[in-house]
Amino acid sequence: AQSVTQPDARVTVSEGASLQLRCKYSYSATPYLFWYVQYPRQGLQLLLKYYSGDPVVQGVNGFEAEFSKSNSSFHLRKASVHWSDSAVYFCAVSITGYQNFYFGKGTSLTVIP
Amino acid sequence: DTTVKQNPRYKLARVGKPVNLICSQTMNHDTMYWYQKKPNQAPKLLLFYYDKILNREADTFEKFQSSRPNNSFCSLYIGSAGLEYSAMYLCASSRVRVDAEQFFGPGTRLTVL
Repeated sequence: AQSVTQPDARVTVSEGASLQLRCKYSYSATPYLFWYVQYPRQGLQLLLKYYSGDPVVQGVNGFEAEFSKSNSSFHLRKASVHWSDSAVYFCAVSITGYQNFYFGKGTSLTVIP
Repeated sequence: DTTVKQNPRYKLARVGKPVNLICSQTMNHDTMYWYQKKPNQAPKLLLFYYDKILNREADTFEKFQSSRPNNSFCSLYIGSAGLEYSAMYLCASSRVRVDAEQFFGPGTRLTVL
């Protein structure tokens, strides 16, 4: 069955530390890949997306993600987190790149000042 | 204006009663989506409208209805609410393009009693 897995429901890191949030997908073909962030009381916002080419993609606010076809993964990274990065992060995939999007359960990130 | 608006933000409904949720966008997006989000679960795509064409997921086909009277508005209708419908309902919109971003509203929290 096709699926998106975010194995860490909650992550806590100290401000200034590096961050990696994990995402693995299970699809018969390489899908289009996305990371979204949801701040408290706001809608989901796109952080970055991958369609093809360089497996490392840059997003907003210093986030980047690396696609690995061999591992079926699309992990999100940030070199130095800020307290304002505290939010819920969702990994999502789409076979078409539009319309049919499927999300992971999300990872709740808490950054301790 | 890149906002997607949802009304109401909170909705209390009785078991067996109908529920109608509203979403609007002014970005002239051709596709609008509805997701259901329950605690500790991934946002689940319920249906989407591409222009005037409604696409519903197979497992939610009979549980939810929708209408799109014009490009800007889309509703989600539950004919007879059950306890299992209690959830956050997220509306999103996008253009039909491989690199298109989905823009999300803040959600409507539905509680069925």
